[in-house]
Amino acid sequence: DTEVTQTPKHLVMGMTNKKSLKCEQHMGHRAMYWYKQKAKKPPELMFVYSYEKLSINESVPSRFSPECPNSSLLNLHLHALQPEDSALYLCASSQVSPSSYGYTFGSGTRLTVV
Amino acid sequence: DAKTTQPNSMESNEEEPVHLPCNHSTISGTDYIHWYRQLPSQGPEYVIHGLTSNVNNRMASLAIAEDRKSSTLILHRATLRDAAVYYCILSIGYSTLTFGKGTMLLVSP
Repeated sequence: DTEVTQTPKHLVMGMTNKKSLKCEQHMGHRAMYWYKQKAKKPPELMFVYSYEKLSINESVPSRFSPECPNSSLLNLHLHALQPEDSALYLCASSQVSPSSYGYTFGSGTRLTVV
Repeated sequence: DAKTTQPNSMESNEEEPVHLPCNHSTISGTDYIHWYRQLPSQGPEYVIHGLTSNVNNRMASLAIAEDRKSSTLILHRATLRDAAVYYCILSIGYSTLTFGKGTMLLVSP
């Protein structure tokens, strides 16, 4: 299995809702990432997990809460989002030293906050 | 993070070779050069990476200048499915990937 699977593919949520994005990989990668991508912009790093521990938080607002329950799963819990949080949310995984191996990205969850 | 410079866009005709340039004059000796591409409504896709020597795989070739201050991604025969944004990224050790603006490749039939 050489894929990163993200669910759901599309999500519409109200500003008072709580929802979660899910990401799964079975490549034995021990580093997992959340990126956010606005329309016509490059992806921007949000969080990095290494060996199931949060290693990087790029000053992301607390309404985004990541979780890594095990080495194959990565969740992003969403609460009280704003319309400007509408974007494509991308999950990726890699060996812990990604420079030598590269990342595998999922297809993303397109989130719309209304 | 070391930075890369790419043209905003390039055009090609189908079945012709495409050479996508990337300048990285501040590259350090241990920076790997990565290329990813992103098709519309998809996540980025790994294309190729290298350190010093030219690299080939089933998708593309990577030509790295001798001084490593620039590199070129070569698509040998462009197809309509190669129309995408191509990102050239420098990566070292445990560092994360930082995406620049990339080059939008347009392929005409």
